[in-house]
Order: sequence, then structure tokens, then C-alpha cells
Amino acid sequence: GAGVSQSPRYKVAKRGQDVALRCDPISGHVSLFWYQQALGQGPEFLTYFQNEAQLDKSGLPSDRFFAERPEGSVSTLKIQRTQQEDSAVYLCASRLDVNEKLFFGSGTQLSVL
Amino acid sequence: AQSVTQLGSHVSVSEGALVLLRCNYSSSVPPYLFWYVQYPNQGLQLLLKYTTGATLVKGINGFEAEFKKSETSFHLTKPSAHMSDAAEYFCAVSVKAAGNKLTFGGGTRVLVKP
Repeated sequence: GAGVSQSPRYKVAKRGQDVALRCDPISGHVSLFWYQQALGQGPEFLTYFQNEAQLDKSGLPSDRFFAERPEGSVSTLKIQRTQQEDSAVYLCASRLDVNEKLFFGSGTQLSVL
Repeated sequence: AQSVTQLGSHVSVSEGALVLLRCNYSSSVPPYLFWYVQYPNQGLQLLLKYTTGATLVKGINGFEAEFKKSETSFHLTKPSAHMSDAAEYFCAVSVKAAGNKLTFGGGTRVLVKP
């Protein structure tokens, strides 16, 4: 595709619901990142994939957060039993290789009520 | 671990005036440094980056930044602000050992007055 695509664009969840956020990286991009951006703050690293391998998940805030990239392309970030503090914009980014430019999607804005 | 501090969460400049956004970093190894811009409801766009070599880096839209190791700074400047520069700007650092993952500052929102 032309860029990194994220869906849905907006998601409203009731506290306790599970949500799944999708990221379609640029075709052929090996590396994929997830970031969480709370209102008025900079993005915070969540997790990183190289192809289908999850090389770093040190930023996932709790075991309610889970990310996968089973075929090395599309990735899904799943949040179980959502809490109000999970409300944020979730950004996905991809790059061709380690030293290449990182391209960001427009994000999914999650609101937990 | 790396960290970034952006001084001033909001900056207001007049159209045609100098834009100066401050960024200081902390890193125990040589860093890569970046400036990104974020327009409302859009993804982050890379303005410029420093990896190695020349310490004065020129980017898109007339922006430039200078890496000063002695001051651990990477301030962003533009000689003459344009209305279209109104956006949020993020400084970020990465190191090769950490997979080049980016650590961002808190951001600076720029308002341009006519």
C-alpha cells in the first residue's frame, strides 16, 4: 500500500471489554513497531517485530496487552479487559530495514468509558 | 536507557519570526537523533535526522538542527515561521543496540500568529 494503514480509526470500548487494533505496514517492510500516545504526551514504545519475531516487548504495560504478527506482515495489538488508563492513540510504524526511515500510521484512538 | 527532554510544551511565534524548539537528550552510547512533526489526525512525519558526520542537519520545510555533543542538545530551528508550521513537534533518540527503537520527548506544540 501507499502507507501504513491502521484500523479502526476510532474505537470506543466499555471498561472490561477486549479490543483488537490492526496495523497494515507498507508492503515489504521488515520491522514493525507499536507505540502508545496518551493525550498531550509523546509516543511511548510498546513492542517491536522483525518479520514475525517479536524481538522486544519491554514496553507493554501489563499482561493484558498482547501483540502478534504471525505472517510477518499485518500485526494486531490486543488489549484484554480494557481499563480507563488504556485510553490513548495507538500508533503503528514500519520500516524496510534497521537503518531505514520509519513510517507511521495515523493511529487508532481508543477511548475506554 | 535513553531519554529526551523538550523544553516548553507550547511555543508561540509570529509569522516570519524565528522558530526555536529545544531538545536535550541522555544516552550512554552515541545516539541517533530525530525530529518529527505531527499534524492533527495525521501520523508522525520525519523532519530530519542525525546519525553520523556533519553536525548541522537540514531537513524538509526549511527546518534544520544542530547536534552538540558537549551540550547533549539537538535544537530545531527555522529562520522564518509560516502558518503551515503550526503543529506538534517531537524530538526522539535511538541507539543501534536497542534495535533503533525511538524514545520520544513530550512534544512541543507550535502556534503561529499572523
